[in-house]
Amino acid sequence: DAKTTQPNSMESNEEEPVHLPCNHSTISGTDYIHWYRQLPSQGPEYVIHGLTSNVNNRMASLAIAEDRKSSTLILHRATLRDAAVYYCILRDLIKAAGNKLTFGGGTRVLVKP
Amino acid sequence: DTGVSQDPRHKITKRGQNVTFRCDPISEHNRLYWYRQTLGQGPEFLTYFQNEAQLEKSRLLSDRFSAERPKGSFSTLEIQRTEQGDSAMYLCASSLGLIGTSGNNEQFFGPGTRLTVL
Repeated sequence: DAKTTQPNSMESNEEEPVHLPCNHSTISGTDYIHWYRQLPSQGPEYVIHGLTSNVNNRMASLAIAEDRKSSTLILHRATLRDAAVYYCILRDLIKAAGNKLTFGGGTRVLVKP
Repeated sequence: DTGVSQDPRHKITKRGQNVTFRCDPISEHNRLYWYRQTLGQGPEFLTYFQNEAQLEKSRLLSDRFSAERPKGSFSTLEIQRTEQGDSAMYLCASSLGLIGTSGNNEQFFGPGTRLTVL
């Protein structure tokens, strides 16, 4: 399975943007890039996903490098509620193995008021 | 609330006892997943159902673990002869997926059952 590499932690000030990098140099052509986050004492929740083009939704934006070997999750204005562990996950569109989520260690985001 | 629910939220047991957890997925979801999460780590996949069929099991799921989804609705995860190493958060998730594809179906997670084995 293709793996992802993320920094262990990042700090941000409230109301400022947060850029969370993810490296996935062994990504295959059928791998989608997914992001989930886990707030304290909760189960993970879906944030966003993409294949090749940049994606935006109400929670965040996903910027995908042209060679797809890295991506960046962007939280445009961090709030205290965005303090969580953010996981970058590859999911194969074709293989049955794509049914499960393979979590790494994630990036713990601390938002300072 | 129409999200994924899990029961109990917390379970403390003594080593060697059997425990059973229940997961109620979102009603129209045909896929159900179990994950385990230890402190400071990301969740690890245990097993997955499509309707009532158990389609994949992780090697983490030893023979002391058994999961069922008898009518394709709720699921149970039983751990027999618990060990201290079984202490973890057990997470359930559900999704709606087309049969025969993996898709990009978003998984919705429940709040988890925290198991402590003394």
